[in-house]
Amino acid sequence: DSGVTQTPKHLITATGQRVTLRCSPRSGDLSVYWYQQSLDQGLQFLIHYYNGEERAKGNILERFSAQQFPDLHSELNLSSLELGDSALYFCASSVEGVIGNEQFFGPGTRLTVL
Amino acid sequence: DAKTTQPNSMESNEEEPVHLPCNHSTISGTDYIHWYRQLPSQGPEYVIHGLTSNVNNRMASLAIAEDRKSSTLILHRATLRDAAVYYCIENAGGTSYGKLTFGQGTILTVHP
Repeated sequence: DSGVTQTPKHLITATGQRVTLRCSPRSGDLSVYWYQQSLDQGLQFLIHYYNGEERAKGNILERFSAQQFPDLHSELNLSSLELGDSALYFCASSVEGVIGNEQFFGPGTRLTVL
Repeated sequence: DAKTTQPNSMESNEEEPVHLPCNHSTISGTDYIHWYRQLPSQGPEYVIHGLTSNVNNRMASLAIAEDRKSSTLILHRATLRDAAVYYCIENAGGTSYGKLTFGQGTILTVHP
């Protein structure tokens, strides 16, 4: 158990819908990262938040957005869902958003878009 | 994004050492080398990281070449639980902060 929790574990929805994935980082970790894992693209970095502020963006679609709240939990919002958005979404946390720090990954949320 | 090159797959027998190679020929002087692994149906798990000198922890050892263009993750005695996809990652600095750029990784199969 990494100490990072993600809800829900599984999510099945239809195209065009909007969903919210939730992540609670390890106690004391200020950084939260979101990653997407699909069969064709592998594991890809989406976005990084540090203590409530966006720090870095990766290949995140405009239909996707994220935020980190004052209690440090984070939410990833996916809207106008397409079949290709079906993937595993992982959240990771670390103490600080600096080079060399270990990231702790949650168990992931499996999103299926029908 | 920084690129690493790893073999697609490797096999080992239980209780034997495993050496997982990684090439990172374009690594810059301040980039760390991270290794993560992903067990089936789980999120990635940190294994080890280093900058210049060799590193050891309870899970593995990391041997880094003197020119830093390659590294080797060493599992001293493989167990069935070590069967996973192993990712070698350059942790880039600057505005990228701590983001991890995963490649395809090496699928490690451990035979009983």
